[in-house]
Amino acid sequence: KNQVEQSPQSLIILEGKNCTLQCNYTVSPFSNLRWYKQDTGRGPVSLTIMTFSENTKSNGRYTATLDADTKQSSLHITASQLSDSASYICVVSQLYSSASKIIFGSGTRLSIRP
Amino acid sequence: DTEVTQTPKHLVMGMTNKKSLKCEQHMGHRAMYWYKQKAKKPPELMFVYSYEKLSINESVPSRFSPECPNSSLLNLHLHALQPEDSALYLCASSQGSGQGPDTQYFGPGTRLTVL
Repeated sequence: KNQVEQSPQSLIILEGKNCTLQCNYTVSPFSNLRWYKQDTGRGPVSLTIMTFSENTKSNGRYTATLDADTKQSSLHITASQLSDSASYICVVSQLYSSASKIIFGSGTRLSIRP
Repeated sequence: DTEVTQTPKHLVMGMTNKKSLKCEQHMGHRAMYWYKQKAKKPPELMFVYSYEKLSINESVPSRFSPECPNSSLLNLHLHALQPEDSALYLCASSQGSGQGPDTQYFGPGTRLTVL
């Protein structure tokens, strides 16, 4: 069964600290993995996208890693800011899927405290 | 322009009303999507249009009726909704060419409340 699981479900950290969010998937055949940031009541915004051959991709203070062998990904946030408070969703696509379904994780709700 | 726009931002309707949600993109994308998202849950796919043709309908009740007038526009017609249909409705688009990673770009959503 194609699934995407994220952990932790929620996380609270102090402003300025780093954190790492995890994503495990069983989607096959794998095409790509994306991390989205979703503010409450808004649409998701893409942070990174990685294909099978990519191990690391950065977008400012966000760094995503991918281990296609173990089917794991992580999103590392450096020097967190209050504006980082949001849900972070891991999304995996199957190979050769153009206009077809993608599989969403349940998300990690991150809260940054001052 | 990497923006997907949705109107209205908020909508309150009664169970007997007929309303429509609108979505627009000018990125030349050929795939467009409707999602429903309840609070603290991931988006759930409702419909997919590929090259202006409905390619996926995730067994959505007929009170939701999608329409794709052209490659840039996507509508969702609503009729006789139930209170449990209250949710954030997200539109997304992607290249849909089948060539390489197909990132979906999401609109800001329409917050729908059914009374």
